[in-house]
Amino acid sequence: DTGVSQNPRHKITKRGQNVTFRCDPISEHNRLYWYRQTLGQGPEFLTYFQNEAQLEKSRLLSDRFSAERPKGSFSTLEIQRTEQGDSAMYLCASSLVVLGSPYEQYFGPGTRLTVT
Amino acid sequence: LAKTTQPISMDSYEGQEVNITCSHNNIATNDYITWYQQFPSQGPRFIIQGYKTKVTNEVASLFIPADRKSSTLSLPRVSLSDTAVYYCLVGLYNQGGKLIFGQGTELSVKP
Repeated sequence: DTGVSQNPRHKITKRGQNVTFRCDPISEHNRLYWYRQTLGQGPEFLTYFQNEAQLEKSRLLSDRFSAERPKGSFSTLEIQRTEQGDSAMYLCASSLVVLGSPYEQYFGPGTRLTVT
Repeated sequence: LAKTTQPISMDSYEGQEVNITCSHNNIATNDYITWYQQFPSQGPRFIIQGYKTKVTNEVASLFIPADRKSSTLSLPRVSLSDTAVYYCLVGLYNQGGKLIFGQGTELSVKP
């Protein structure tokens, strides 16, 4: 397994356009997370899934944002009507919770979005 | 969730031991302390997690005093490749769920 992968790695779009990012988690992991990171700040939580169920959404996730994990495997994050403030690195992570073991999330390399 | 406070930046030289302290005065009884490392243009990477006393792995050691209101990440004999941002997180991370990152400590290792 090569870890968490994200596509595309970079995306430049014009304000008002829609964009979609894809995340492929580590295959046996049942949880998948999306975070957003701006320059000089730590990642901010957006949402997470347990299998195909979306269990939690941050208030940061406005109605222009939607995330899916249709078959409990890969996930997509769509941003509609992009704004310049959406410019950030979008990080995906996955995890498998095993009682008694340290809990860690495995992050992908991120998708850098630039809205012009 | 417990708020954490850590230095914004630290400088060190190759071969030195680096200790980064994190304050978490309102840590809850069931909270764990976790550290992540992030290199530029990469996602964060788990380093170590602990609940009390001392935890050591092949990368670092984590020291947690009895009152658990602070913790110290210790990196032995750092190299240039340890230059990164280090995040201290506190929460119910033994059970999964979202991670809450602060601003982190930017460690710069010089030759």
